[in-house]
Amino acid sequence: AQSVTQLGSHVSVSEGALVLLRCNYSSSVPPYLFWYVQYPNQGLQLLLKYTSAATLVKGINGFEAEFKKSETSFHLTKPSAHMSDAAEYFCAVSHGSGNTGKLIFGQGTTLQVKP
Amino acid sequence: DAGVTQSPTHLIKTRGQQVTLRCSPKSGHDTVSWYQQALGQGPQFIFQYYEEEERQRGNFPDRFSGHQFPNYSSELNVNALLLGDSALYLCASSLRSGGAGGYTFGSGTRLTVV
Repeated sequence: AQSVTQLGSHVSVSEGALVLLRCNYSSSVPPYLFWYVQYPNQGLQLLLKYTSAATLVKGINGFEAEFKKSETSFHLTKPSAHMSDAAEYFCAVSHGSGNTGKLIFGQGTTLQVKP
Repeated sequence: DAGVTQSPTHLIKTRGQQVTLRCSPKSGHDTVSWYQQALGQGPQFIFQYYEEEERQRGNFPDRFSGHQFPNYSSELNVNALLLGDSALYLCASSLRSGGAGGYTFGSGTRLTVV
């Protein structure tokens, strides 16, 4: 069975500091992996996705993630945090293809950005 | 180009009642999935519809049912509401043949059961 674990339910960084949000997955087949962001009272917005092409994936708003099969990890990073990055972040693995398989989400990580 | 539209945005129901939530997928998308997101949790997959049929189902009781119409829009129905059904219900659409383009999510319907 597939699963996702996000390490740290709450991460706090200073504006301009490195953002690192951790995600580990479990999958018996090559996974499709996603990072989504959710602002208060809104739906989910796709930040980036891994679909077995390049292991370093660049997304929107300066975020990127690296797929490491040996570590079963897909951590999300951003070199310099901005106040507008404060939100809830979800890592997800797809059971099947990226368009038809159900998404299995982690519990989420709340990112706080301090001025 | 409109994204995924969900209605209503908020809803308050009483235990035991029935509720219907609606979703219009992004233009060009043909597959609709529904997720339940309890407060402080990640979304959980309810089911997915394609060609007006339920194709996949998560671990939800039969009280949860759905429908997809010929124009690809979808409804989620929940019968005999429980307090635990209070959550944000998210609709996501995709194009089944679109490679790994991924899903587009709506802003959700906030259901409160009292």
